[in-house]
Amino acid sequence: GAVVSQHPSRVICKSGTSVKIECRSLDFQATTMFWYRQFPKQSLMLMATSNEGSKATYEQGVEKDKFLINHASLTLSTLTVTSAHPEDSSFYICSAREDRPSSYNSPLHFGNGTRLTVT
Amino acid sequence: GESVGLHLPTLSVQEGDNSIINCAYSNSASDYFIWYKQESGKGPQFIIDIRSNMDKRQGQRVTVLLNKTVKHLSLQIAATQPGDSAVYFCAENPTGGFKTIFGAGTRLFVKA
Repeated sequence: GAVVSQHPSRVICKSGTSVKIECRSLDFQATTMFWYRQFPKQSLMLMATSNEGSKATYEQGVEKDKFLINHASLTLSTLTVTSAHPEDSSFYICSAREDRPSSYNSPLHFGNGTRLTVT
Repeated sequence: GESVGLHLPTLSVQEGDNSIINCAYSNSASDYFIWYKQESGKGPQFIIDIRSNMDKRQGQRVTVLLNKTVKHLSLQIAATQPGDSAVYFCAENPTGGFKTIFGAGTRLFVKA
């Protein structure tokens, strides 16, 4: 159980275009989802917290207009990288935690990531 | 600032030996700690967790130890296997928060 599906797994786009990444919780509901970014041989950096039915909360230094997040339902969050540039090339990973009491003391379930390459 | 760090960036062990991966955390307010395993090109996979009211928790072949006095976390893997080769991250949840903060990661190499 507790599967998070992320799509696409890889995407190559040209500079200036936008790319949408989907994150779905397949067998549980998630009011809150989290988007991370990971550069090669580095750790996961939290970009934003996606909240169903409300605005996302962005971490310091993350441009909200560049990384648009929409959490339209209890099982789907999307991250759109707008006007992509080569420096946006990275591994983007979403995660979710099951909705239940005191769920913050429970592990995150991660998708398998999206490798974005901007040419 | 808040951070979770690791003493060793890489660890190489012989197949069948035990592995110990260490982690130091700085946020004394954290009350939940997790170890994740990440294989190349994949998302992190949950291994084991521990709450701050415990100092040891065991799973299948893995044990997590928590020393709140010195803010230290460790992951012990018994009888390490080639399939254990991956990057291991410790992570923490500050008290009452939904965020999970990741450490720098340790790459484990298992020699056959």
